[in-house]
Amino acid sequence: KQEVTQIPAALSVPEGENLVLNCSFTDSAIYNLQWFRQDPGKGLTSLLLIQSSQREQTSGRLNASLDKSSGRSTLYIAASQPGDSATYLCAVTGNTPLVFGKGTRLSVIA
Amino acid sequence: DADVTQTPRNRITKTGKRIMLECSQTKGHDRMYWYRQDPGLGLQLIYYSFDVKDINKGEISDGYSVSRQAQAKFSLSLESAIPNQTALYFCATSDTGLAGNNEQFFGPGTRLTVL
Repeated sequence: KQEVTQIPAALSVPEGENLVLNCSFTDSAIYNLQWFRQDPGKGLTSLLLIQSSQREQTSGRLNASLDKSSGRSTLYIAASQPGDSATYLCAVTGNTPLVFGKGTRLSVIA
Repeated sequence: DADVTQTPRNRITKTGKRIMLECSQTKGHDRMYWYRQDPGLGLQLIYYSFDVKDINKGEISDGYSVSRQAQAKFSLSLESAIPNQTALYFCATSDTGLAGNNEQFFGPGTRLTVL
């Protein structure tokens, strides 16, 4: 059974800092990995999707990498801003639809 | 207009009542999903459908049923609601597309409280 773990569970950083969020999964037979952002009480917004054949994807200040063989992905956020404060979720698709991690709650302090 | 809509957005009901949550999408996607989110447990898949004639159980389907009325509509029912079904419910859609990437897009959620 696929399990997805996100470390740390919570993170607080000062504005302007670069940061990395980590995601690991137990079964490397995945089709893709998706990073989402969730604001409190709101829905999920898709940030980046990496297909299993890809190593990374970039969107603006966000860069996501995937190392399928080691079961790891990272989400790099450059020059963090208070508006980046949210919970970040990673999820993988394999033989079953998305399996989610529990998320990292990010606070960016002005 | 939002691509994935859910109704109602909030619902308070009593134990034993039948509840239906509805999801509609204008993205033209074949695949639709229902998830529930509980604090500290993350999102868990309840049911999913890859086309109108296809229904599959997820990891926590007990106590729930679904209906795929059309490509664009997927409803979730709680036949007899119980308090531990109090949660935030999300509908999502995806399309394999030419790239086969199966990216999922989520609705805004329905907050359900069972008293």
